[in-house]
Amino acid sequence: GESVGLHLPTLSVQEGDNSIINCAYSNSASDYFIWYKQESGKGPQFIIDIRSNMDKRQGQRVTVLLNKTVKHLSLQIAATQPGDSAVYFCAENRHGAGGTSYGKLTFGQGTILTVHP
Amino acid sequence: EAGVVQSPRYKIIEKKQPVAFWCNPISGHNTLYWYRQNLGQGPELLIRYENEEAVDDSQLPKDRFSAERLKGVDSTLKIQPAELGDSAVYLCASSSLGPNTEAFFGQGTRLTVV
Repeated sequence: GESVGLHLPTLSVQEGDNSIINCAYSNSASDYFIWYKQESGKGPQFIIDIRSNMDKRQGQRVTVLLNKTVKHLSLQIAATQPGDSAVYFCAENRHGAGGTSYGKLTFGQGTILTVHP
Repeated sequence: EAGVVQSPRYKIIEKKQPVAFWCNPISGHNTLYWYRQNLGQGPELLIRYENEEAVDDSQLPKDRFSAERLKGVDSTLKIQPAELGDSAVYLCASSSLGPNTEAFFGQGTRLTVV
């Protein structure tokens, strides 16, 4: 069945280091991917997205890489800060006929990122 | 700009009792989602609306769950009767219509059924 999974459930880094969070997806029809950050007691917060016609997309301190050959997605956070500590989810979506989105984001289990000062 | 607003933030009820959650999406967003998030897991879609129409409710347990979105704006999600396994965070999200538009989430309602 369809699934989006994460390789590592937890990641601990030192402040200032770079963080890499990985995600594997199984649905080859997926063509839109989103990374969300979820802090304790809050809803998921959009970080960055990428379409399947791209391999890389950069934002402020974050980069998402997409490898469609092996169905792998990663989120890189540069100069990780204590405020980056949260659970990170990747989510996948796919186009319907006519280019409209199915709108059914499928989330993975999440990676807990802990940043030590 | 106000985000997605949900209420209540927390709810504790006894099993077999009814409960309702309310969501006010971002102004102008046509698409509204209800997700359920169990502890340590990612959100799972329960129902998706485009305007007033429920376009995907395949994951909604229809024997006890119901939802409505009158006038295509606010939405309510109801559980009757609640079971112990319904304890979770219920998240509402909204987005604009069109391909590949991200969903913005509310803070969620944490339901505890005892």
